[in-house]
Amino acid sequence: AQSVTQLDSHVSVSEGTPVLLRCNYSSSYSPSLFWYVQHPNKGLQLLLKYTSAATLVKGINGFEAEFKKSETSFHLTKPSAHMSDAAEYFCVVSETGDKIIFGKGTRLHILP
Amino acid sequence: DAGVTQSPTHLIKTRGQQVTLRCSPKSGHDTVSWYQQALGQGPQFIFQYYEEEERQRGNFPDRFSGHQFPNYSSELNVNALLLGDSALYLCASSPYLAGGPDTQYFGPGTRLTVL
Repeated sequence: AQSVTQLDSHVSVSEGTPVLLRCNYSSSYSPSLFWYVQHPNKGLQLLLKYTSAATLVKGINGFEAEFKKSETSFHLTKPSAHMSDAAEYFCVVSETGDKIIFGKGTRLHILP
Repeated sequence: DAGVTQSPTHLIKTRGQQVTLRCSPKSGHDTVSWYQQALGQGPQFIFQYYEEEERQRGNFPDRFSGHQFPNYSSELNVNALLLGDSALYLCASSPYLAGGPDTQYFGPGTRLTVL
């Protein structure tokens, strides 16, 4: 069975400092992994996806994530936070493409 | 292109009532999925419609039902509302049935409050 755990419900960083949002997954197969962002009153937006190609995945808005099979992790990072990055972030796992499991989300706060 | 649109944006109902939520998919998309996002939780898959039929279903009771119309728009119906049905209901459309999560475009959601 597949599952995903986001290790932090809230993360606060200062503007201009690095961002790290942590995600661990469990899957019986080689999963596809995704990160989504949700801004208030806006639809979920895909940031990036991993589908067994390069382990370091680059996404939109300067975000990237590294797939580490040995650690069953898919952490999301950004070198320098911007105020507009404040939002809810979801890690998603999919084994077969049709069943997708969302994590509970991490709220990212950006301090001025 | 208006993207995925949902109506209404907010809705307040009382326990035991019935509710209908509506979704218009992105232009060119023929598959619609519905998700429930409770407060503080990630979205949970309810069901998916393609060619006016329910193709997949998550772990939700029969009180949750849906419909897809010939123009690909969709409705989510919930009967006998419970307090626990209070949530943000998200609609997502994709251009084909077998597409993965990255092919789905999400709407802004309908916030349902059950009193």
